[in-house]
Amino acid sequence: EAGVAQSPRYKIIEKRQSVAFWCNPISGHATLYWYQQILGQGPKLLIQFQNNGVVDDSQLPKDRFSAERLKGVDSTLKIQPAKLEDSAVYLCASSLSQGSRETQYFGPGTRLLVL
Amino acid sequence: AQSVTQLDSQVPVFEEAPVELRCNYSSSVSVYLFWYVQYPNQGLQLLLKYLSGSTLVESINGFEAEFNKSQTSFHLRKPSVHISDTAEYFCAVSELQGAQKLVFGQGTRLTINP
Repeated sequence: EAGVAQSPRYKIIEKRQSVAFWCNPISGHATLYWYQQILGQGPKLLIQFQNNGVVDDSQLPKDRFSAERLKGVDSTLKIQPAKLEDSAVYLCASSLSQGSRETQYFGPGTRLLVL
Repeated sequence: AQSVTQLDSQVPVFEEAPVELRCNYSSSVSVYLFWYVQYPNQGLQLLLKYLSGSTLVESINGFEAEFNKSQTSFHLRKPSVHISDTAEYFCAVSELQGAQKLVFGQGTRLTINP
């Protein structure tokens, strides 16, 4: 069974530029999550999708971050414009369904450096 | 809102020694508890979880964790570690009701020395 795929693995941009990350969840997983992991901290949930609907985006900085999952499968997270403090690893995860019992399966992450 | 505190940011131990990674949580409602592990250059993967029943849960590679409700703790232990256990370990909690999202601790980097 293929795992969660993410691309690119690494990205370096200058502040005020835009960047996009892509995630393809495990086949059949209805729930998709994006996390931000700043160096030295645990992952923090940015947004959760159930199929193509948003379940929780309370910690997404909506003035610069956006995410979509139009067909309920793969997803894109965008930052525009980027700030220095956005330097982090962006993790995508998926689970069969939503609910606090569900095991989340994580991708390898995209490491972003904003200069 | 729930929170998780991992009391040690780094834990160095010698191979074959026992280890304990500490985790405390705070929540006003009942919770599920998880330990995730991140090996070098790999994604996070579930190590073990407590949902209900026996408060002692085990993983397939010899780790165990005990849910202690009175002390709001979920410490991770292994009686004898191997070089291959070198990784970062994250404790996480999710509430049974309400937001139900996974909240992670800061992580503990376990380094095994030969």
